[in-house]
Order: sequence, then C-alpha cells, then structure tokens
Amino acid sequence: AQSVAQPEDQVNVAEGNPLTVKCTYSVSGNPYLFWYVQYPNRGLQFLLKYITGDNLVKGSYGFEAEFNKSQTSFHLKKPSALVSDSALYFCAVRDISGAGSYQLTFGKGTKLSVIP
Amino acid sequence: EAQVTQNPRYLITVTGKKLTVTCSQNMNHEYMSWYRQDPGLGLRQIYYSMNVEVTDKGDVPEGYKVSRKEKRNFPLILESPSPNQTSLYFCASSQTQQGTGQPQHFGDGTRLSIL
Repeated sequence: AQSVAQPEDQVNVAEGNPLTVKCTYSVSGNPYLFWYVQYPNRGLQFLLKYITGDNLVKGSYGFEAEFNKSQTSFHLKKPSALVSDSALYFCAVRDISGAGSYQLTFGKGTKLSVIP
Repeated sequence: EAQVTQNPRYLITVTGKKLTVTCSQNMNHEYMSWYRQDPGLGLRQIYYSMNVEVTDKGDVPEGYKVSRKEKRNFPLILESPSPNQTSLYFCASSQTQQGTGQPQHFGDGTRLSIL
C-alpha cells in the first residue's frame, strides 16, 4: 500500500524567509510525487511533480522540491516566501509499479502561514 | 477555458434522500476521480475511472456509486446519504499516458451537509 506523511499540520514563516514544507512517502515500487496547493474555497492546483530524472524539480510560483530516494522524502521549498503563498499544501504519491497504479494518495495537508 | 465543473457547490439535505453530484470536464481527459476532504484527514479517494465504462474503488468507496457513460461526465451518487458523508467533495480529471504522471485538474468542490 502507498502512503504519504506530512508531519507538520502548520508551518509559520516570515515574509522574505525561505520556507520548507515536509513530505515523506511509502511505496512498494517507484513513486510519482506531486505537490498541490489549495486556496480558500477553491479546488487544488498543481504545483510540481517528480517523475524521473533530476532530483530537484521546479514548479509554479517559484516553488521547487527535492526528491530524496534514500530518505523517501519530497520536501517543498521556496527561497523567499510571500504573504500570497499562505494556503494549504498537499503532497501526493502514486506507486507506478503495481496494481492500482492510477490511484493517487494524498497527505493530510500542511497549512502554510506567511507573516508580513 | 479548461475546467472541471461540479454541481451543486453547496447542498444541505436529509438522511436517506438520494442525491447526485455532477462532474463534467472539457479537456477530453480519460481519467476522472472523486475525493472527499475532511479536517485532519486530507483528501481520500472515493472512486476513479480510467475511461468510459471503466471504474474502480478508491480508499473510501462505501456508501457511494459512480458511473462513466460519457467521457466528459463522472457523477457521484449517494443512494442513501448518512451524516458521516457530510464532507467537502472534489472531482478531478487528467490525461492518462502509460509511463507518465499527469497532474490532475480539480473542480472547486461541493460542500455536502447531511442532516
């Protein structure tokens, strides 16, 4: 079975400081990994994904994430936080190796608050 | 504009009264899925569909039905709703190309309250 853990329910960061939102995953085979963002009263929006290749992936709005296979992590990062980055962030994983490979499992979400 | 449209956006109803939440996408996507979002639990997949007439259970399918008679539509049916199905529901769609990971496009959500 595949699973995702987002260990922090909330992350607070000052505007202009770097931010990190943590994600670890568990799959039996190879993962596809995704980050989504949710603004109030809206659906989720895709930020970035890791499929294969370079472990550092860049996405929308200046976000990036680093895939670390040995630590089974896929942390979301941004060098300089904006107040407008305040939102709910979800990490998701898909195990492409086995049955149910089109099933997508989400973490519980991390609320990011950027303080002016 | 590419979009996933859910209706209704809000619904308050009573236990046992059958309801349907519609979902439609205009991107010719093969894959469609339903999720429910609950505080502290994140998003959990209810059902998904790989293509017309092909559906499969997600993590929490009990109490729900789906159908995929047309590529663009994927309705979620609650035949006998119960209060524990009070939740925020999202429909999503994506392309499916074997060996790639396509991001999903989400609707804006349907907030259901079952009294």
